[in-house]
Amino acid sequence: DAKTTQPTSMDCAEGRAANLPCNHSTISGNEYVYWYRQIHSQGPQYIIHGLKNNETNEMASLIITEDRKSSTLILPHATLRDTAVYYCIVRPANAGGTSYGKLTFGQGTILTVHP
Amino acid sequence: DAGVTQSPTHLIKTRGQQVTLRCSPKSGHDTVSWYQQALGQGPQFIFQYYEEEERQRGNFPDRFSGHQFPNYSSELNVNALLLGDSALYLCASSKTGRNSPLHFGNGTRLTVT
Repeated sequence: DAKTTQPTSMDCAEGRAANLPCNHSTISGNEYVYWYRQIHSQGPQYIIHGLKNNETNEMASLIITEDRKSSTLILPHATLRDTAVYYCIVRPANAGGTSYGKLTFGQGTILTVHP
Repeated sequence: DAGVTQSPTHLIKTRGQQVTLRCSPKSGHDTVSWYQQALGQGPQFIFQYYEEEERQRGNFPDRFSGHQFPNYSSELNVNALLLGDSALYLCASSKTGRNSPLHFGNGTRLTVT
């Protein structure tokens, strides 16, 4: 599985956009970029995923560079509740008809949103 | 629409004992994966079940085993518990199909004394 590199920690002011970078320079053509976050004492929460086009949902936007070697997760208006560990994960497309169950989590980025 | 539910939420066991953790997948999901998360670390993949069979397995010993039932719910069993098995055990479910995201429960906190 392709490896990802993320900053250890980031700060953001409440109400401002939080931009979380991720490098995945060894990503292969059939691998998706997924983002999850984990708030203390809870399970990881799915945020968004993409292959090569930019994606947006109600939680966030995902910007993937044209060469797909890096991506940025954007939380447009961060709130205190967005304080969490954010994981960038590269996941192969499904194999054999089942969804690929193995996600390889790194250390993630600790995002702290300040008042 | 209930998400992934796990039971119990907390458990304390003694070294050498056996433990069973349970997971009910999100409605509409048919695939279940289990993860172990040690304190301060990211989750580590244990195994995945689909159609009641183990489909993928991570680097965990045979003391870790599982089962999936016809209703898609799943159990994780750990035998001969070690102190190092103390962790948060997470269940994730997804539905068959291209790149269906995994949805996680809030886990079972296992403490081995």
